[in-house]
Amino acid sequence: SQQGEEDPQALSIQEGENATMNCSYKTSINNLQWYRQNSGRGLVHLILIRSNEREKHSGRLRVTLDTSKKSSSLLITASRAADTASYFCATDAYNTDKLIFGTGTRLQVFP
Amino acid sequence: EAQVTQNPRYLITVTGKKLTVTCSQNMNHEYMSWYRQDPGLGLRQIYYSMNVEVTDKGDVPEGYKVSRKEKRNFPLILESPSPNQTSLYFCASSANRGGSTEAFFGQGTRLTVV
Repeated sequence: SQQGEEDPQALSIQEGENATMNCSYKTSINNLQWYRQNSGRGLVHLILIRSNEREKHSGRLRVTLDTSKKSSSLLITASRAADTASYFCATDAYNTDKLIFGTGTRLQVFP
Repeated sequence: EAQVTQNPRYLITVTGKKLTVTCSQNMNHEYMSWYRQDPGLGLRQIYYSMNVEVTDKGDVPEGYKVSRKEKRNFPLILESPSPNQTSLYFCASSANRGGSTEAFFGQGTRLTVV
């Protein structure tokens, strides 16, 4: 079962613009993570936010979490062509040992 | 260097011919898992293991087997592969269970079953 759903499915922007991706999930969670995947390669961890946190920053990344709405957003500021990749959210629900991924957002950044 | 190593990277096989995809991590992680990635479906968990000799089913375990005899290794076994198992497979490991710590991923194994 898919826990997370990302929105939009695809996003195209120009270099320098900000990119915002959203993730919605179905059940209560302990943690939410965001990962990046370059075409056909392994996923790379970007940031982890715990259920008692509302916002977290890492470099040009800003993640928010709204547990009342069961949603999270990933903001990439001042995007670069090198940010072109797919981005996935992943959650671990209460009382499970699983890390469940969403379907991803494909981000294309044009130079 | 901390890493998760999968082999092979690419594999073409025929229906019914047993195969094993190996996965090894050098970070002394307790938690390991296997995912398959298909277009439009994202990553779906096949099996996971919380420690040596402890494994459990993920969301799509049918047609797969795993074992965890040593902490560092977590092979994925397809006893009788079928074309619907054609996919991109990823092994991952993390220090703790589920999503409480970051997961490290292998580079993937692209499997084609004809």
